[in-house]
Amino acid sequence: DSGVTQTPKHLITATGQRVTLRCSPRSGDLSVYWYQQSLDQGLQFLIQYYNGEERAKGNILERFSAQQFPDLHSELNLSSLELGDSALYFCASSVDGGSGNTIYFGEGSWLTVV
Amino acid sequence: DAKTTQPNSMESNEEEPVHLPCNHSTISGTDYIHWYRQLPSQGPEYVIHGLTSNVNNRMASLAIAEDRKSSTLILHRATLRDAAVYYCILHVGNEKLTFGTGTRLTIIP
Repeated sequence: DSGVTQTPKHLITATGQRVTLRCSPRSGDLSVYWYQQSLDQGLQFLIQYYNGEERAKGNILERFSAQQFPDLHSELNLSSLELGDSALYFCASSVDGGSGNTIYFGEGSWLTVV
Repeated sequence: DAKTTQPNSMESNEEEPVHLPCNHSTISGTDYIHWYRQLPSQGPEYVIHGLTSNVNNRMASLAIAEDRKSSTLILHRATLRDAAVYYCILHVGNEKLTFGTGTRLTIIP
């Protein structure tokens, strides 16, 4: 158990819909990351937050948005869903995002768009 | 993004040591070398990381070349549960971890 909690674990929704994925980081971790992993694809970095502020942005679509709340939990919002958005979405956290720190990953949220 | 090169796949016999190589010739002085592994349908799992000196933990050892341009992850006694994709990653400053394609390790019973 990494200490990073993601909900829901599985989600099936229709094209055009909107979903919210939730992440609770490890206790004490200030930095949260979101990654996407499609079937047989590598892990693609989406976005990183540190203590409520956006720190880095990767290949995140405009239809996707995220935020980190004062209690440090984070949400990833996916809207106007397309079939190609079906993937595993991972949240990860670290103490402060520094290069010497370990990044811990959650078990992921399986999103299936039908 | 800082680049690493790993073999696409490797095989090892159960209960034998495994040496997973990684080249990172463009590494900078403050880049940490991280290793993660991922089992099917699971989140990446931290294995080990280091800066200059060799590192040991309960999971593995990390041997870092003196010039830091390569490193080797050592699993001392492979078990079937070690079958996974292993990622060697350079963690640069406060940036995100950039995952490559990794090495798919198969353990032969």
